[in-house]
Amino acid sequence: DSGVTQTPKHLITATGQRVTLRCSPRSGDLSVYWYQQSLDQGLQFLIQYYNGEERAKGNILERFSAQQFPDLHSELNLSSLELGDSALYFCASSDRGSGEPQHFGDGTRLSIL
Amino acid sequence: EDKVVQSPLSLVVHEGDTVTLNCSYEVTNFRSLLWYKQEKKAPTFLFMLTSSGIEKKSGRLSSILDKKELSSILNITATQTGDSAIYLCAPRSGSARQLTFGSGTQLTVLP
Repeated sequence: DSGVTQTPKHLITATGQRVTLRCSPRSGDLSVYWYQQSLDQGLQFLIQYYNGEERAKGNILERFSAQQFPDLHSELNLSSLELGDSALYFCASSDRGSGEPQHFGDGTRLSIL
Repeated sequence: EDKVVQSPLSLVVHEGDTVTLNCSYEVTNFRSLLWYKQEKKAPTFLFMLTSSGIEKKSGRLSSILDKKELSSILNITATQTGDSAIYLCAPRSGSARQLTFGSGTQLTVLP
């Protein structure tokens, strides 16, 4: 158990809809990272937050957004969903200050019908 | 654009064999390289390498970084069926230290 909690585990929805994925980092970790894993693209970095502020952006679509709240949990919002958004979405956390590695949650499997 | 290439893509061995997995990278502002093992769910952290030539070991697994060659290897000795997984290599770069993942090596260990 990495200590990173993601909910829900599974999400099935239709094209055009909007969903929110939630992540609680390990206790004490200030950084949260979001990744998308699909069969053809592998694990792709989407976005990072550190102590409530956006720190880095990767291959994140404009239809996607994220935020980190004062209690350090983070949410990834996906809107106008398309079939190609079906993937496993992982959240990872680390204590950036100590240079610790990122630890991953179990992911949310998103299926678009 | 950052690039990570892992080889082989897939490997099938028998229990007791030794395997070597390779990772080559080209990333800007390199900080460190991490290895992860992914079974059915989350990638599980194995090693973080920052200095060239210093081997990290954990039981039957070991890894080493060659910064000059921009590469790393992961060795697994006396493989067991429980080692079957996808092994991912991820250089960490930039001030935000995001990870760029390779496509992974799928290791299957047969009894």
